[in-house]
Amino acid sequence: EPEVTQTPSHQVTQMGQEVILRCVPISNHLYFYWYRQILGQKVEFLVSFYNNEISEKSEIFDDQFSVERPDGSNFTLKIRSTKLEDSAMYFCATGTPPNTEAFFGQGTRLTVV
Amino acid sequence: KNEVEQSPQNLTAQEGEFITINCSYSVGISALHWLQQHPGGGIVSLFMLSSGKKKHGRLIATINIQEKHSSLHITASHPRDSAVYICAAPPSGSARQLTFGSGTQLTVLP
Repeated sequence: EPEVTQTPSHQVTQMGQEVILRCVPISNHLYFYWYRQILGQKVEFLVSFYNNEISEKSEIFDDQFSVERPDGSNFTLKIRSTKLEDSAMYFCATGTPPNTEAFFGQGTRLTVV
Repeated sequence: KNEVEQSPQNLTAQEGEFITINCSYSVGISALHWLQQHPGGGIVSLFMLSSGKKKHGRLIATINIQEKHSSLHITASHPRDSAVYICAAPPSGSARQLTFGSGTQLTVLP
């Protein structure tokens, strides 16, 4: 069964550092997403990506965040100048809505210290 | 903006019991998703449905579009069903991303 792969599974970084979270989406899916889940809270939408550009973004997705698909396979989320409150589980998801279910990666647990 | 509400927040059951988790949403949607989140944090899609009923093994999902309500049922529950169950729906009729409910923590005791 096709799957979404995320790396790393866990990343610890110092406040103020930049991190890049990576995702390999399912190849024939058209929409790619990043979601995050702060410990004990709901999963929240960050951004969707379609046809090599941002399709939608939430108010959380400010200038600190960026996404790209640098080589046609990987889909990355970059967080610049990390803050303590960026500590969360970050999920990559792919799909071709509204016709397909959403496929989630296993998540990257980001801890900012 | 779609408000997705789930109940109950927590549910403890004895092995073998029939489980029902409810989800309501406020905006008309194209499809609703039921997801399972494992203790390690990973999320797995269980169902995507836009009408009627779907069944997969011991899991059954139903949706009533007019009432904006969906239910997830687990028959003959087992301790391995213990997880967080989440419903999610698009925030508006045309949106492609999902708005998530707060989840139902299910614990099935042997």
